[in-house]
Amino acid sequence: AQTVTQSQPEMSVQEAETVTLSCTYDTSESNYYLFWYKQPPSRQMILVIRQEAYKQQNATENRFSVNFQKAAKSFSLKISDSQLGDTAMYFCAFRRGSNYKLTFGKGTLLTVNP
Amino acid sequence: DSGVTQTPKHLITATGQRVTLRCSPRSGDLSVYWYQQSLDQGLQFLIQYYNGEERAKGNILERFSAQQFPDLHSELNLSSLELGDSALYFCASSAPGSGSYEQYFGPGTRLTVT
Repeated sequence: AQTVTQSQPEMSVQEAETVTLSCTYDTSESNYYLFWYKQPPSRQMILVIRQEAYKQQNATENRFSVNFQKAAKSFSLKISDSQLGDTAMYFCAFRRGSNYKLTFGKGTLLTVNP
Repeated sequence: DSGVTQTPKHLITATGQRVTLRCSPRSGDLSVYWYQQSLDQGLQFLIQYYNGEERAKGNILERFSAQQFPDLHSELNLSSLELGDSALYFCASSAPGSGSYEQYFGPGTRLTVT
């Protein structure tokens, strides 16, 4: 079974600064996908970024980028130029292959301070 | 707006009762997933349907059941409700033929059992 671990229950950052959220996972699969989802106070689950395990290049979406270390089974999220709207719970998620369930970490509550 | 709809948004009911949660996937999506989010268990996968057939089961209690109808909407039935069933229930959908099979989440149904 796959497991996803987020070791930082809470983090805070000043507006406009950069913050990195950590995630490690455990799997014996070779084909998998990793995701970061954001859950703001509205409780909506919003996909932030996706990484395919077979791709060596780290994914980037505007101010969000990942550091994917496959051998170390590490998948961290970097948020640059943090904005107040980035305040949310962030979940790291693993998916084996294509049409399969997501396995989530317990989440990191990020607060962006003005 | 993810394109996934869930009704009702909120549900308050008493222990021992039965409720039905409804989900309409994005147009064209064949897979529907149900997840439960609670304070103590985090985000957990319950069950997946693909084009009307059950495809995978997770930590779903025997008191819970689901189905996907020919028009691809899905219902999650929760019976003999207990206080511990209070949670946010999400539905997500994904499309076939897309290599990444990204899951898009509905807004959730918040169930409170009193």
